[in-house]
Amino acid sequence: DAGVIQSPRHEVTEMGQEVTLRCKPISGHNSLFWYRQTMMRGLELLIYFNNNVPIDDSGMPEDRFSAKMPNASFSTLKIQPSEPRDSAVYFCASSDASGGFYNEQFFGPGTRLTVL
Amino acid sequence: AQSVTQLDSQVPVFEEAPVELRCNYSSSVSVYLFWYVQYPNQGLQLLLKYLSGSTLVKGINGFEAEFNKSQTSFHLRKPSVHISDTAEYFCAVTADTGNQFYFGTGTSLTVIP
Repeated sequence: DAGVIQSPRHEVTEMGQEVTLRCKPISGHNSLFWYRQTMMRGLELLIYFNNNVPIDDSGMPEDRFSAKMPNASFSTLKIQPSEPRDSAVYFCASSDASGGFYNEQFFGPGTRLTVL
Repeated sequence: AQSVTQLDSQVPVFEEAPVELRCNYSSSVSVYLFWYVQYPNQGLQLLLKYLSGSTLVKGINGFEAEFNKSQTSFHLRKPSVHISDTAEYFCAVTADTGNQFYFGTGTSLTVIP
């Protein structure tokens, strides 16, 4: 298996632009997680899905952030409009834990976002 | 809610020496505890986890951790480190009935030749 795939690996954009981050989870996994990593705040869980349904989005910082999972093999995290403080590394992870966190989460390589 | 505290932000250690990375958690309910490792420019990888049973948990790459409920700790240990162990290590916690997952701030382990 190729593991969790994220694209793009690097994104540089200007303030106010829309940014879309993409994730393909490991085939057969039914839980998907989006994290943000910054020096100031560390690793934060933004949202997670179980069987394509958003379960908890309490970590999403603002209405400018939205996430979708239209099918079991694809998810997007969108920021519109983007701001410099959104600059971070965004990780996608997947697991086969049905709605729980007790199984191993497999992380993608991350998308490094820079908003100028 | 749960939380974890990693007391040391940076730990330098000489090659082949033992190491302990400290993690303390806070929770009013039963918890699951994890250690993840992040190598430079990569995603996180699970080292080990405690769900229940034996309080001494063995993981990959020779690491182990001990769950201590009375001290609310889950310290990570390795008897002899290698250069390749240089990485960022994260402790994490979730409640056994929870829907949130919390990472600590991380400990940067540097193995010195």
